[in-house]
Amino acid sequence: AQSVTQLDSHVSVSEGTPVLLRCNYSSSYSPSLFWYVQHPNKGLQLLLKYTSAATLVKGINGFEAEFKKSETSFHLTKPSAHMSDAAEYFCVVSDRQKLTFGTGTRLTIIP
Amino acid sequence: GAGVSQSPSNKVTEKGKDVELRCDPISGHTALYWYRQSLGQGLEFLIYFQGNSAPDKSGLPSDRFSAERTGGSVSTLTIQRTQQEDSAVYLCASSFTSGGTAGELFFGEGSRLTVL
Repeated sequence: AQSVTQLDSHVSVSEGTPVLLRCNYSSSYSPSLFWYVQHPNKGLQLLLKYTSAATLVKGINGFEAEFKKSETSFHLTKPSAHMSDAAEYFCVVSDRQKLTFGTGTRLTIIP
Repeated sequence: GAGVSQSPSNKVTEKGKDVELRCDPISGHTALYWYRQSLGQGLEFLIYFQGNSAPDKSGLPSDRFSAERTGGSVSTLTIQRTQQEDSAVYLCASSFTSGGTAGELFFGEGSRLTVL
């Protein structure tokens, strides 16, 4: 069985300040982990993925995430928020074929 | 096509009617997924097709829901006798999986279903 918990349903940050979106997971296997972003009225887009290579994963648009097995975490970060980062973010865990999505974190950027 | 295509983009129906939602995945992608996204909720897994294997139907919420994938390509999700709680955005995704590891999912823009 696998599950993923996004600890914050809503995060607000000021433009130019760091972003932290938290994700914890559980999995019976060595998991693959993903972050997806969904802009309003758009489909989901892959930001980055971890598949047992480097624990620090860099994605698109300046985002990165660090896989910490001891903490079962895969938090998403960005050093400096931009207005275009406002969206819904989903943490996803996969063992074998099935993907389980978190409930999402809505990121609001304050001008 | 270049991406995953879903139709219709919006569907309004009356309670009790049947609806069909279509997904045309990226050519060559062997895996196809249906998810449901309700307002304020995460994505709820519905069904997964992989090649010629039997589909994983474990996420279908009731026997009113069914899906098929013809010729390993286009998929249709059918909801019979729709209920108001079926109102949601239905998302389709496809991927090219290799070695039993889930690859990147490419999502369509969804079909928004409203049941009156």
